[in-house]
Amino acid sequence: ESQMTQSPSSLSASVGDRVSITCQASQDIGNYLNWYQQKPGKAPKLLIFDASNLETGVSSRFSGSGFGTDFTFTISSLQPEDIATYYCQQYDNSPPYIFGQGTKLEIK
Amino acid sequence: QVQLVESGGGVVQPGGSLRLSCVVSGFNFGIYAVHWVRQAPGKGLEWVAGIPHDGSNKYYAGSVTGRFTISRDNPRNTLYLQMNSLRTDDTAVYYCVRDRNFGWIFGTFDIWGQGTMVTVSS
Repeated sequence: ESQMTQSPSSLSASVGDRVSITCQASQDIGNYLNWYQQKPGKAPKLLIFDASNLETGVSSRFSGSGFGTDFTFTISSLQPEDIATYYCQQYDNSPPYIFGQGTKLEIK
Repeated sequence: QVQLVESGGGVVQPGGSLRLSCVVSGFNFGIYAVHWVRQAPGKGLEWVAGIPHDGSNKYYAGSVTGRFTISRDNPRNTLYLQMNSLRTDDTAVYYCVRDRNFGWIFGTFDIWGQGTMVTVSS
C-alpha cells in the first residue's frame, strides 16, 4: 500500500492569496488521488477526484494536478469560507485506502 | 435528497462490543459500494472497512481485521459495522460513506453521513 506524505501540516494565508498543498505518495499511484475539505464539526466533502477532476458543484477556485507520486491542490484565490482542514487520499488498486495527515488552513 | 444517517454510537468499556447502523435514502443503495471511515478526536481520517454493492467481498484496515465486521442489508437500505474486542484507540467518530462509482469498491468517497461517536473507556 502507498503511504501519503502531505505538507504543510498547517498554513496561514490572506484572503485573495493563492494557496497550494502538496501530497507525495511512497509509490506510483497514477492519478488515483482525491482531495477532501473538512470544516470544523462537519463531515469531509469530496472536492477533487482522479487527481484533477472537480466534483460536481464544487467551486472552480479549487484545482488539482499531478501524476505518479507528486500531487498538488490549489486554491486560486482564498476566501473566508475556505477555512478548513484539507486531506489527500490515495485509492491505488485496492484497499486499504490511505489519507494524508491533513493541512489546517487558517486566515492570516 | 441523498442522506446517510448513522446510529449506534455510545460509550463502551474496553473489550466490549457495539454495532453501528447507517440508513441510506435518496439513491439506489443496492448498486453502490459503501465504507466506514473514522476520525479519532483531533486526528485525521482513517478508512476502516468497505463492501461492494452485493456484499460479495469485505475489506478491512489492518487495525480492525479480526475484530470488526462490515455487512449490508440492501432491501433495508442499511449498512452495518459490528465492532468487537473494542480498544481505547477505537475511540472516534465513525462515518458511513458512499463510493462514487457503481458496483465494486473503488475508493472515492463522494457522500458522507454526519457521523456517530464511539467512546471506548473504562
